[in-house]
Amino acid sequence: DVKVTQSSRYLVKRTGEKVFLECVQDMDHENMFWYRQDPGLGLRLIYFSYDVKMKEKGDIPEGYSVSREKKERFSLILESASTNQTSMYLCASSLSTAQPYEQYFGPGTRLTVT
Amino acid sequence: KQEVTQIPAALSVPEGENLVLNCSFTDSAIYNLQWFRQDPGKGLTSLLLIQSSQREQTSGRLNASLDKSSGRSTLYIAASQPGDSATYLCAVAGANNLFFGTGTRLTVIP
Repeated sequence: DVKVTQSSRYLVKRTGEKVFLECVQDMDHENMFWYRQDPGLGLRLIYFSYDVKMKEKGDIPEGYSVSREKKERFSLILESASTNQTSMYLCASSLSTAQPYEQYFGPGTRLTVT
Repeated sequence: KQEVTQIPAALSVPEGENLVLNCSFTDSAIYNLQWFRQDPGKGLTSLLLIQSSQREQTSGRLNASLDKSSGRSTLYIAASQPGDSATYLCAVAGANNLFFGTGTRLTVIP
C-alpha cells in the first residue's frame, strides 16, 4: 500500500512566521502535489513536482514556495504566514504521468494562522 | 479551464437505500476520473478510478460510470450503510493535475 505522511495534523502559527509543511511518500513515486482545501472552494493545487529539484506552479502559488531535495519528500513553505492561509493542506503523490495517474493523499495538516 | 460540479451538495438517505451521486465536467479531454471519499478532518481515500477509455468501474457496493462525451460521471452506492457517511469528491485528470469538485456530503441515517 502506498503511504503518504504529513509531518503535523494540526499546526497553529502567528502572522509573519515562516512555516514548513513536510510530506513524505514511501512508494518511489515521481510526482508529488500540494493542495489546499477550503469550504465551498474545494481542493486547489498550489504546486506540484515531477522529479527531484523540479517544481511547477499550480492554480494558487502566491505566498507559497516548495522544495524537493529528495524524491520521497516534498515540502511546502509559507515564507510569511498570513491569516488567509488558514486552511487544510493536503499532500498527494502519483507514480508518474505515464501511468493512469491515480493520486494518493496524506491525512492532511490543518493550519491556523492567528 | 476545467470546471467540475457535483450535485447535490448534501444528501441524506435512510440506511439500505441505493443512491446516485453526480459529477459533471466542462472539458471532455480528460485522462481519467477519480472518485474519493473524505471523512471529516481527514485526507482523501481513493475509491475508484475510471480511465478515459472506460465506461465504468466497480468495487464492492460501488459502481462508477463515465460518459466523456456528455461530461458526466455517476457514483452508485448500493444498500447504503451508516459507515458510508462522508463527503464524496470527484476529480478529473488533465495533463498535469487533477481538477476537483466541491463534493457531496452524504449522511446515511440508521
